[in-house]
Amino acid sequence: DAGVIQSPRHEVTEMGQEVTLRCKPISGHDYLFWYRQTMMRGLELLIYFNNNVPIDDSGMPEDRFSAKMPNASFSTLKIQPSEPRDSAVYFCASRSWTGPTDTQYFGPGTRLTVL
Amino acid sequence: AQSVTQLDSHVSVSEGTPVLLRCNYSSSYSPSLFWYVQHPNKGLQLLLKYTSAATLVKGINGFEAEFKKSETSFHLTKPSAHMSDAAEYFCVVSDMGGYNKLIFGAGTRLAVHP
Repeated sequence: DAGVIQSPRHEVTEMGQEVTLRCKPISGHDYLFWYRQTMMRGLELLIYFNNNVPIDDSGMPEDRFSAKMPNASFSTLKIQPSEPRDSAVYFCASRSWTGPTDTQYFGPGTRLTVL
Repeated sequence: AQSVTQLDSHVSVSEGTPVLLRCNYSSSYSPSLFWYVQHPNKGLQLLLKYTSAATLVKGINGFEAEFKKSETSFHLTKPSAHMSDAAEYFCVVSDMGGYNKLIFGAGTRLAVHP
């Protein structure tokens, strides 16, 4: 099992540019989560999907952020236009529905730096 | 509302001595509780989880945690620290009311000295 795969692992871009982060969940998992980790705010849930459908996007900071899940094996988080305050580590996680305490499996994260 | 408070932002121990990382939670429902570990530049790995079957939960790498409802605590312990335990540890709550969401504590950075 390859685990959750994220790409790129590191991204450096300039303010105003579009950034796309990618995630491949564990095969068979029907939930996918996007988190952001910063020193100031810690780990925050941005959005999650169930069976490719966005369920709760209340954590998405603003309209510059968008997420899609076109199929069960791929999701993107897009920031357009990017700003320096978007610099953070973005994690993707997935899980299957096996009960109320089932585990989320995290990817290695994408470290985004916006100059 | 659900929340977790990790009482120490940094903990420093000597190799071979016990580890105690403290966590208090607040939940309107019967909580599910987790400890995750994050090694530098790595993703988060589940150490252990409380499933209500037993109050003392054993996890990987010799860690364990005890659920104490009367104290609303879920402290993480290990009898003897190893250098490889140096990492950041997150206490996490998820409850029956919204168990799709994990709510993370601020984290405790554990340093292990030789």
